[in-house]
Amino acid sequence: AQSVAQPEDQVNVAEGNPLTVKCTYSVSGNPYLFWYVQYPNRGLQFLLKYITGDNLVKGSYGFEAEFNKSQTSFHLKKPSALVSDSALYFCAVRDMNNNDMRFGAGTRLTVKP
Amino acid sequence: DAGVTQSPTHLIKTRGQQVTLRCSPKSGHDTVSWYQQALGQGPQFIFQYYEEEERQRGNFPDRFSGHQFPNYSSELNVNALLLGDSALYLCASSLSELTRELFFGEGSRLTVL
Repeated sequence: AQSVAQPEDQVNVAEGNPLTVKCTYSVSGNPYLFWYVQYPNRGLQFLLKYITGDNLVKGSYGFEAEFNKSQTSFHLKKPSALVSDSALYFCAVRDMNNNDMRFGAGTRLTVKP
Repeated sequence: DAGVTQSPTHLIKTRGQQVTLRCSPKSGHDTVSWYQQALGQGPQFIFQYYEEEERQRGNFPDRFSGHQFPNYSSELNVNALLLGDSALYLCASSLSELTRELFFGEGSRLTVL
């Protein structure tokens, strides 16, 4: 069965510093990986995805993520954090045989001025 | 272009009652997925509808049922409500391919007293 782990409940960074939000996954075949962001009392917004090809994918708002097959990871990164990036971030995975997109428990990112 | 719309946004029910939540997908989307997000947790997959059929179901009891209409809109029904059903219910629409990202509505927050 597919699963996602986000090992950090909370990540704190200073504005202007780089940020990383970690994600590891487990699937039986090739993974389709996604990152979403959720602001308070809102639905989830899609940031980026990895399907195939280049291991570094770029998405919305300056975010990027690196797919690492050997480490089964898909960490979210941004070179310079903004206070407005503060939100709840979810990693999600599908495998090639499942319509069920499986989400991690989420990581709360706080960017301090 | 309207995104995914859900109704109602908030509702309060008592144990044993029944509830119906509604979802209109993003224009052009043919697939609707429903998720339950308990406080402090990631979304949990309830089921997915495509071509008016339930295509896949998560680990939820039969008290949770759904429907998709010819215009691709969808309903989620929950019978015999329990206190533990209190959560944010998210509808997500997409195209049918597994590589496609989900577009989420703002959710329906259900409180069961």
